[in-house]
Amino acid sequence: QIQLVQSGPELKKPGESVKISCKASGYTFTDYAMHWVKQVPGKGLKWMGWINTYTGKPTYADDFKGRFVFSLEASASTANLQISNLKNEDTANVFCARGNSRYFDFWGPGTMVTVSS
Amino acid sequence: IQLTQSPSLLSASVGDRVTLSCKGSQNINNYLAWYQQKLGEAPKLLIYNTNSLQAGIPSRFSGGGSGTDYTLTISSLQPEDVATYFCYQYYNGWTFGGGTKLELK
Repeated sequence: QIQLVQSGPELKKPGESVKISCKASGYTFTDYAMHWVKQVPGKGLKWMGWINTYTGKPTYADDFKGRFVFSLEASASTANLQISNLKNEDTANVFCARGNSRYFDFWGPGTMVTVSS
Repeated sequence: IQLTQSPSLLSASVGDRVTLSCKGSQNINNYLAWYQQKLGEAPKLLIYNTNSLQAGIPSRFSGGGSGTDYTLTISSLQPEDVATYFCYQYYNGWTFGGGTKLELK
């Protein structure tokens, strides 16, 4: 069955970096885009951007340009999100989600990133 | 495109017919999906392209609408339907509504 497995929770200090992974299984990784979505605890969802898993080309939402990098390890069916120079407002649950004709049909369980001094 | 969901909180009884609303700031041309999120879980796709039921989702869930106005209807509310429901447009970029929290009365 289709699964997206994300890396575990992270506790970081302001200014540090974090890398979150999302390993896909149960389908051909390069046939579907991978999106990233942020959810601040108790709040709504915000689309961060997506990566074309066939070409490796990333696209970032306006609020996520500069400190955010999407990458792939296609041989391992894994998408990664790296956030540098972490700020308190980056504290959130971050989901990867498979893109199917522009909507998201399967989601990972989320990776909680906590930024605190 | 901004999406406004109403109500933000809805209390209903088991067996009730429940309708949730999602209004776009402009025409989203039926490129609208609905997700269910239970506490501590990832969102689950219920409906895509306004009214297409995702595989494995019970038939008591249905979607409708056009233009700027869309709805999610649960024909007979079940206890396991307690969750927050988000609409989401993918016509122009990708944006989510603020959510409707559905609780049992």
